Order: sequence, then C-alpha cells, then structure tokens
Amino acid sequence: DQQVKQNSPSLSVQEGRISILNCDYTNSMFDYFLWYKKYPAEGPTFLISISSIKDKNEDGRFTVFLNKSAKHLSLHIVPSQPGDSAVYFCAARENTGFQKLVFGTGTRLLVSP
Amino acid sequence: DAMVIQNPRYQVTQFGKPVTLSCSQTLNHNVMYWYQQKSSQAPKLLFHYYDKDFNNEADTPDNFQSRRPNTSFCFLDIRSPGLGDAAMYLCATSRSRITQFSGIGETQYFGPGTRLLVL
Repeated sequence: DQQVKQNSPSLSVQEGRISILNCDYTNSMFDYFLWYKKYPAEGPTFLISISSIKDKNEDGRFTVFLNKSAKHLSLHIVPSQPGDSAVYFCAARENTGFQKLVFGTGTRLLVSP
Repeated sequence: DAMVIQNPRYQVTQFGKPVTLSCSQTLNHNVMYWYQQKSSQAPKLLFHYYDKDFNNEADTPDNFQSRRPNTSFCFLDIRSPGLGDAAMYLCATSRSRITQFSGIGETQYFGPGTRLLVL
C-alpha cells in the first residue's frame, strides 16, 4: 500500500521550458513534504521542502506547490536545464519523533538541449 | 568532503552467505538510517539508530540486522541473503530526532548506496 505515489516514471522536457513533476499521497498525518534529486551513482540529495500548512515554497528555479484537499504536490522547475536531468523522489514525513520519510518511486527527468 | 560514505559500492554474495555493508559519516549526526531500494521501487526504511537506540520497522525481515559501534559507523548485516534481497542499500543520517512542533530543520543526508547482487 503505497502512501506516496509518483505516477509518471519519466518526463522529457526541452531546455528552457518548465518541468512539472507530480506526487500524490494518502496519509493526512504527513507534516512535511520533500523533494530529493538523485544522479546516477550518487545518493539522493535534498532539494526543497514544504510544510503541510503552506501551499507554496520557492527556492530559485524550484517551486513546490501543495494542494492538501487533493493530497497532491508538484515540483516546478523553471527554466529547466540539462543539469537538472536526474531522478526526482517525492517524500513525505511522518512526525513520529524522528524523521521517518516515506518515498515515492521517483520520476526520471530528462532535459534535452 | 564526503559526508556519508558507504563501502563497498558494489557487493556480490552467494545465496545464503552472510554479508555486511558498511556506512560511516563525518557529520557527527545522532541518527543513522538504512533503506532498501529495489529496482523501480521507492526506498524503504529498514531501521534506524538514534545514538545507540535501535528502532526496527515492523515489516523488516529478521534476516536483516544492524550494529552501530560508535557515532560514526553503522553496519547492515544480512544473515542469509536470498535472491529477493538483491537491491540498492542506502544509508542516511540526520542530526537529531524532531519534536512535534519542530520545523523541517535537519533533513536526511544520504550516502551513494551499496548495490548488492546475490548469486
């Protein structure tokens, strides 16, 4: 029973355009949502997060939107760059006293020049 | 500069032969985690240590054990690997536990992973 779902295994975008990666969740008790980026042969690295009490968080080219009623979040990358090509994991935090993260299966983003 | 180091990066073992994966960190973080990630699946938490306090996930098989001899090192022991245990094993750290009202604060820092192949 997957609590965090990324239904698109892959996404291809041209350089300079917007990339939109989507994530759905089922557990209303999640208090933070995070995006991690993973390059081949490296571990996931933290990219951006959003609290469940917010609906938007922006950091440079990266913006995360949260729609609590729909239990949906999305990561927008504008403008997309070839160096953004990676696997993006959506994760949600259960506030159990430690940082228990529940991950989605990831979306592979390919940004072509 | 490496903060979370995993050795080896690739490990081949035989069916039923015990294997140990290693993780070390230079961040002096209190919490260390082990995740299992199978192909095209989400990373799945196996267990974590808060200092020397071991916390097992309810659905982690008994075949998986862990040791944390000091703050810097954490080991994942697979007592009798089966073909289904072939996966990427990720180690992660975070500074501390969180309280109910704390913000995102410290997130988890991941190592590059060890890919385990069982023959």
